[in-house]
Amino acid sequence: DTGVSQNPRHKITKRGQNVTFRCDPISEHNRLYWYRQTLGQGPEFLTYFQNEAQLEKSRLLSDRFSAERPKGSFSTLEIQRTEQGDSAMYLCATEQGEDTQYFGPGTRLTVL
Amino acid sequence: QKEVEQNSGPLSVPEGAIASLNCTYSDRGSQSFFWYRQYSGKSPELIMFIYSNGDKEDGRFTAQLNKASQYVSLLIRDSQPSDSATYLCASDSNDYKLSFGAGTTVTVRA
Repeated sequence: DTGVSQNPRHKITKRGQNVTFRCDPISEHNRLYWYRQTLGQGPEFLTYFQNEAQLEKSRLLSDRFSAERPKGSFSTLEIQRTEQGDSAMYLCATEQGEDTQYFGPGTRLTVL
Repeated sequence: QKEVEQNSGPLSVPEGAIASLNCTYSDRGSQSFFWYRQYSGKSPELIMFIYSNGDKEDGRFTAQLNKASQYVSLLIRDSQPSDSATYLCASDSNDYKLSFGAGTTVTVRA
């Protein structure tokens, strides 16, 4: 257990629905990352926060995706109008200055 | 070309043998390199990181970095069945985010 928690752990939804995932980082870690991983691939970067500021967003993050980190604590990732191609494991990782990222358990999304 | 490439595997080794995993990267600006282990259905778990050319040992694991050749490797000595997993190589590119390879699946035969 890295100390990073994610909820829910599994989410099944119908195409077109909105979903929101939450990540609670290790308390002193000021950088927080979201990645997406599909079967047989490594994680792909989506976005990251330095405290409450969202500093970079990947081209993978379409307009249907939005992430927030209010007050530099927990973070949420919302996907609007889900599509079957959004089915993946969504991973949160946090880091405190030593360039070493620790992953949470992930949220597995299945879009029917 | 992907930023990080790994030998695709799967790699099958007998218990007690050495498993050798290889990784190449394309961005010469990458400073730090990481090996993560991922069990099926679980999230990646950090095993080792390396910043400097040469070898770094931690228990049964040795990471090797050659920046001139843009090559990173991981050796697992005295392989155990519990080492059976997918191993992910990752690099940073001076901007914190990690670029991952697709992973190499290792099976240790008892």
